[in-house]
Amino acid sequence: AQTVTQSQPEMSVQEAETVTLSCTYDTSESDYYLFWYKQPPSRQMILVIRQEAYKQQNATENRFSVNFQKAAKSFSLKISDSQLGDAAMYFCAYRRMTGTYKYIFGTGTRLKVLA
Amino acid sequence: EPEVTQTPSHQVTQMGQEVILRCVPISNHLYFYWYRQILGQKVEFLVSFYNNEISEKSEIFDDQFSVERPDGSNFTLKIRSTKLEDSAMYFCASLAVPTDTQYFGPGTRLTVL
Repeated sequence: AQTVTQSQPEMSVQEAETVTLSCTYDTSESDYYLFWYKQPPSRQMILVIRQEAYKQQNATENRFSVNFQKAAKSFSLKISDSQLGDAAMYFCAYRRMTGTYKYIFGTGTRLKVLA
Repeated sequence: EPEVTQTPSHQVTQMGQEVILRCVPISNHLYFYWYRQILGQKVEFLVSFYNNEISEKSEIFDDQFSVERPDGSNFTLKIRSTKLEDSAMYFCASLAVPTDTQYFGPGTRLTVL
């Protein structure tokens, strides 16, 4: 069975600084998707970034980028130039390319941004 | 931009009562999901629905739960006899095609007293 682990329950970053959130996963599949979702206090799930496992290039979305290490089964999220609005829970998620396409989420990392 | 909607945003019910949570997925989507998030915990998969039938369900999704797509637009989750431990945020999500990303609704907060 696939699992997703986020070992940092909470992280803090100074405004304008860079922070990296960690995520590891376990799967026997060779093709899959990985995602980072942001959940602000409203609890809406907002897609931050997604990575296809077959792509070697790391995904980037503006200030957000990932470091995808397939062999190590690691998928970290880097937030550059952190802003107060980045404060939220961040969930890493895994999805197979076959089956029902359900998501498997990690336990989340709460990010605090300090002014 | 199309979005998934959920109603109500907050439902309060007494233990033992039946509740129906409603979702309107994005219109051309084919795959539908319910997830649950107990306060302070991770988001957990409940059930997936495709081609008018359940395609997968988790251990959480016991006989007290059911899903339906009654009219081609709504997607509902029914809990027959609510328990205190059913208190959680329930998210609906939909997916157009397998290569796409799931779109999540804003959630329904269920409080069982």
